[in-house]
Amino acid sequence: KNQVEQSPQSLIILEGKNCTLQCNYTVSPFSNLRWYKQDTGRGPVSLTIMTFSENTKSNGRYTATLDADTKQSSLHITASQLSDSASYICVVSVGEYGNKLVFGAGTILRVKS
Amino acid sequence: IAGITQAPTSQILAAGRRMTLRCTQDMRHNAMYWYRQDLGLGLRLIHYSNTAGTTGKGEVPDGYSVSRANTDDFPLTLASAVPSQTSVYFCASSDRGIGYTFGSGTRLTVV
Repeated sequence: KNQVEQSPQSLIILEGKNCTLQCNYTVSPFSNLRWYKQDTGRGPVSLTIMTFSENTKSNGRYTATLDADTKQSSLHITASQLSDSASYICVVSVGEYGNKLVFGAGTILRVKS
Repeated sequence: IAGITQAPTSQILAAGRRMTLRCTQDMRHNAMYWYRQDLGLGLRLIHYSNTAGTTGKGEVPDGYSVSRANTDDFPLTLASAVPSQTSVYFCASSDRGIGYTFGSGTRLTVV
């Protein structure tokens, strides 16, 4: 069964600190892995997308890593800001054309001052 | 601003009533999707459409129907709402399965 598991479920950090969110997946066949940010009351917005051959990808203060051998990904947030408070969702695309998405339950991040 | 528009934003619905959630996109994406998001679970696919005139069932299609008469619109209908359909519903579209754009969601409460 295709599954995406994220940890931790929730996290509270102080503004300015770094944090790392984890994603483990068991899907086949793997197409790509995406990280989304979802603000409260909004739809998910894409942060990064990585294919099998990519190990890391950055988007500003967000850096995603992918280890296709261990089927793990992480999202590192540097110098957190209050606006980073959101749910972060790991999504894996499955299939030859990558048009089937398997969503993790998300990690709720709260950044406090 | 290009994107996806969902309506209504929120709705309280009596059980047994019929309800249509509207979704319109202006990006000319071929594929569109309906997901539901429940607390503690990842988004789950209800129905999808790869192109105008075609639809398909997702992971949790029971109790829902969709139509895709044109490229821009993809309404989701609950024929007879039940409390288990209380959820937040997201419409999305994609360009060849590469970039996905999500709407802001419809929060539906069935009482």
